[in-house]
Amino acid sequence: AQSVTQLGSHVSVSEGALVLLRCNYSSSVPPYLFWYVQYPNQGLQLLLKYTTGATLVKGINGFEAEFKKSETSFHLTKPSAHMSDAAEYFCAVALAYTDKLIFGTGTRLQVFP
Amino acid sequence: GAVVSQHPSWVICKSGTSVKIECRSLDFQATTMFWYRQFPKQSLMLMATSNEGSKATYEQGVEKDKFLINHASLTLSTLTVTSAHPEDSSFYICSAPIRGSNRGSPLHFGNGTRLTVT
Repeated sequence: AQSVTQLGSHVSVSEGALVLLRCNYSSSVPPYLFWYVQYPNQGLQLLLKYTTGATLVKGINGFEAEFKKSETSFHLTKPSAHMSDAAEYFCAVALAYTDKLIFGTGTRLQVFP
Repeated sequence: GAVVSQHPSWVICKSGTSVKIECRSLDFQATTMFWYRQFPKQSLMLMATSNEGSKATYEQGVEKDKFLINHASLTLSTLTVTSAHPEDSSFYICSAPIRGSNRGSPLHFGNGTRLTVT
């Protein structure tokens, strides 16, 4: 079975500071991993994904994530937070042999001026 | 880019009535669509998978008679909440893989429907 765990339901950073949102996965097969962002009362927007190949994945809005098999992690980072980054972020893993996604519990990012 | 349109964005209904939510793929064909439910400040829970031309598959614990799913065409899937009750109040979101049913295809999401049952 596949699952993801997001550590920290809330993360607060100052504008311009590093953003680090943590995600650990559990998977019996090579995982396909995703990060999505959700703004209030909206659907989800794909930030980035990892399937195979390069372990450092770059996404939209300056976000990137690194797949670390040894640590079973796929943490999301951004060097410098912007006020517009305030949102809910979800890590997800694709179920084996399907394209169903299993989501983590989400991390709410707050950015202070 | 690929867009999934979901309608209505919000709906308020009385207990006992039925509500239909539509999900359309605007510039691509979606043989598969996923319906999620999200409670306040919680994650998305997969309810069911709708398949064009065949019956939907429901996740464990989801009442198929209560949440009717129809995928009548390659661009339209509907979720009908029948005999809605206050506990059905939630945020419902549809999604579709943009490159068919291949593992790893990113999902495109509708903007969700907030259902409030009074």
